[in-house]
Amino acid sequence: AQSVTQLDSQVPVFEEAPVELRCNYSSSVSVYLFWYVQYPNQGLQLLLKYLSGSTLVKGINGFEAEFNKSQTSFHLRKPSVHISDTAEYFCAVRPSNDYKLSFGAGTTVTVRA
Amino acid sequence: KAGVTQTPRYLIKTRGQQVTLSCSPISGHRSVSWYQQTPGQGLQFLFEYFSETQRNKGNFPGRFSGRQFSNSRSEMNVSTLELGDSALYLCASSLEQGFGGEKLFFGSGTQLSVL
Repeated sequence: AQSVTQLDSQVPVFEEAPVELRCNYSSSVSVYLFWYVQYPNQGLQLLLKYLSGSTLVKGINGFEAEFNKSQTSFHLRKPSVHISDTAEYFCAVRPSNDYKLSFGAGTTVTVRA
Repeated sequence: KAGVTQTPRYLIKTRGQQVTLSCSPISGHRSVSWYQQTPGQGLQFLFEYFSETQRNKGNFPGRFSGRQFSNSRSEMNVSTLELGDSALYLCASSLEQGFGGEKLFFGSGTQLSVL
């Protein structure tokens, strides 16, 4: 079985400052990794994904994440946030031999002017 | 192309009642999955339907059930509601069974409050 831990439940950040959201996972098999964003009163949207290849993946809205197999991490970063980035962010993992997604508990990012 | 549509958007029920939630997938999508989202717990997988058959099930009690119709629309039912069932219920659709993650499209959810 796999599990996902998002290390920060709340991240306040000022506009134009960088942000990093931490995600660690555990799994006995290789995994695929995802970050989703949920804006207020909306469903989840896929931000980016790691399936294979380069460990640095770029997603929508200027976000990127780096897969670190040795540290079993998949941290999400953005060099300069906007007010519109205020949302909840979910890390998710799927084992390569299955298709069930496991989600972390989420990180709420609040961007202030 | 219309997205995933969930109705109703909000529901208020009392303990012991039952509730039915509806999900219309993106046109052409045949797989529908349901998730329960609660603060601090993230999303918990309920079940997945494909071609009117439940293909996978999460760790929820039998009070949670669902079905899928021939047009791929899906309903989820919760009987004998408990306070702890208060949550946002999300539906996600995909073209085929088993596209976990990269090809899932989520609806905006139904917010259920149990009083």
